[in-house]
Formats: sequence, C-alpha cells, structure tokens
Amino acid sequence: DIQMTQSPSSVSASVGDRVTITCRASQGISNWLAWYQQKPGKAPKVLIYAASSLQSGVPSRFSGSGSGTDFTLTISSLQPEDFATYYCQQATHFPSFGGGTKVEIK
Amino acid sequence: QITLKESGPTLVKPTQTLTLTCTFSGFSLSRSGVGVGWIRQPPGKALEWLALIYWNDDKRYSSFLKSRLTITKDTSKNQVVLTMTNMDPVDTATYYCARQYSNIWDTFDIWGQGTMVTVSS
Repeated sequence: DIQMTQSPSSVSASVGDRVTITCRASQGISNWLAWYQQKPGKAPKVLIYAASSLQSGVPSRFSGSGSGTDFTLTISSLQPEDFATYYCQQATHFPSFGGGTKVEIK
Repeated sequence: QITLKESGPTLVKPTQTLTLTCTFSGFSLSRSGVGVGWIRQPPGKALEWLALIYWNDDKRYSSFLKSRLTITKDTSKNQVVLTMTNMDPVDTATYYCARQYSNIWDTFDIWGQGTMVTVSS
C-alpha cells in the first residue's frame, strides 16, 4: 500500500501570507496526486489534480507542484476563506489520503 | 448538475452489518472512465478510502478492510451500495461517496454530503 505523509500537521498563518504544504508518497506515483480542501462539517473539495492542474472554479492563488514522491501545495496569498484542513491523495487504483494539514488563523 | 447522496442507518450495534447506499444523478456509471468510491472520516481524524467500483464493474478495496467490504452497483437505479460486516465502535465515522473520473486523473471530483454512522450498543 502507498502511504502518504503530509507536513506540517498544522500551520498558523495570517491573511496575505504564503503557505506551503508538503506531501510525500512512500513510492513513486508519477503525477497521480490530488489536493483537497475541507471545512468543518463539509465534504472535501478538490483543488488540484494531476499534481499541478487547477480544478475548474478554484482560485489561482492555489497551485500544486511535484512528481514522483514529493509534492507541494502552495497558497500564494492566504484569504479568510482558506482557513481549513487540506489533504493530499494519491490517485492510483488503490487511493490513499495524507493525514491532513490544518491551516489556522495566527 | 451532478449530485451524490448517501443514505443508511445512523446507529448500528457492534458485530452488525452496515449497508450504505449512494444515490447519484447527473452522470452515468455506465460511461467509460467513471467510478464511484466510498471514503470515511472518523470524528476529528483524516479521510480513509474504503472501496471503488468502476463503470466496467471492476472493484477495488482497501487492503486493511477488504475482508469486511463489498461494493456493488445498480446502474438502472443510479446507485452504489457498500456493505461492511462486523461493525465495531472504531468504525464510527462520517461515510462519503464520491465520483471518480478518469478525465481528471481519477480524482474524486464530486462528493456527497456524507452520512454519520455511530457504532454503539
């Protein structure tokens, strides 16, 4: 099974800050990586697929990069609505999720 | 508009079998490249993938829970059913179903609202 490790588990940031979240796969997954945002009591929402492709309707301040085993989600300028928990997910035929990163208000 | 909705019991007793139904609209599970998956989330914890069924009836299961899970589809009813046997309190979670689509690299692009299942005697 492919394990996904996210870091940090939480980050405190202010509006306007640049935030970077990393995700590491236990084995190479090429670009089969998605990022999701989840707010309390809500279902996850996909932000990025294929490691760096922005899902339709998602603001351009979100970006993804990486390939193989190491991936990054960047929020270029944090907005109030971005305070949430973020998950990476490897999208092979046996998917798995990272442990999540909670972005909190500083 | 694409929607998915989970339904099933909110409370089950330990050792019982859980049956959840995902009823969807706006897409066909007969279309090549489409799948429906189940994902759960215990309170305050991370997401955990459980099972997937594809348009061609190919089925995939989490290795950790494979012995307890069965996923089936009824294309005519636009439904996917997940059964999980021998329920335990640690299975208490919100259970989501979601569409997986090959055009966006097998990402779960549309999710249901989730249904909370509590396992308790």
